[in-house]
Amino acid sequence: DAGVIQSPRHEVTEMGQEVTLRCKPISGHNSLFWYRQTMMRGLELLIYFNNNVPIDDSGMPEDRFSAKMPNASFSTLKIQPSEPRDSAVYFCASSSVTGELFFGEGSRLTVL
Amino acid sequence: AQSVTQLGSHVSVSEGALVLLRCNYSSSVPPYLFWYVQYPNQGLQLLLKYTTGATLVKGINGFEAEFKKSETSFHLTKPSAHMSDAAEYFCAVTYTSGTYKYIFGTGTRLKVLA
Repeated sequence: DAGVIQSPRHEVTEMGQEVTLRCKPISGHNSLFWYRQTMMRGLELLIYFNNNVPIDDSGMPEDRFSAKMPNASFSTLKIQPSEPRDSAVYFCASSSVTGELFFGEGSRLTVL
Repeated sequence: AQSVTQLGSHVSVSEGALVLLRCNYSSSVPPYLFWYVQYPNQGLQLLLKYTTGATLVKGINGFEAEFKKSETSFHLTKPSAHMSDAAEYFCAVTYTSGTYKYIFGTGTRLKVLA
């Protein structure tokens, strides 16, 4: 299996621009997670999908953040407009009923 | 509220020495416990997990952890450190299989000295 695939791996953008991060979960996994990792705050859960349905988005910091999962094999996290404080590594993870999380390699976002 | 505490944000050991990374949790229900490793510029990778059954769990790369309910601990050990073990290690807890409420510790960065 190819594992969780994220793109882009690196994104540098200017404040105010729209950013879209993409994730392909492991086939057959029914849960998908978006996390953000920073030095100051560690790993933060942004949003959780189960069977393509958003279950908990309480971790999404602001309305500038949105996430979609149109089908079982694809999810996006969008930031519009982006701000320098959004700079972080964004991880997508998926899991099956066995419980363990499988993480992608992350998307490192730098907002100038 | 459930929580995970990792004692020591940085741990240094000599190559060949014992690795001990500490994790304590608070939980009002039986936990599922995990250790993940993160190498630079990579995502988190599962090292081992405890769900039920045997309390001593063996994982990849020679690591193991023991679930001690009385001490609410799940410390990670490896008898002999290797240079390639240098990474950040995260302890995590959840409560039943299939729940999404994973709580991660703040991580311990392991440095291995030659």
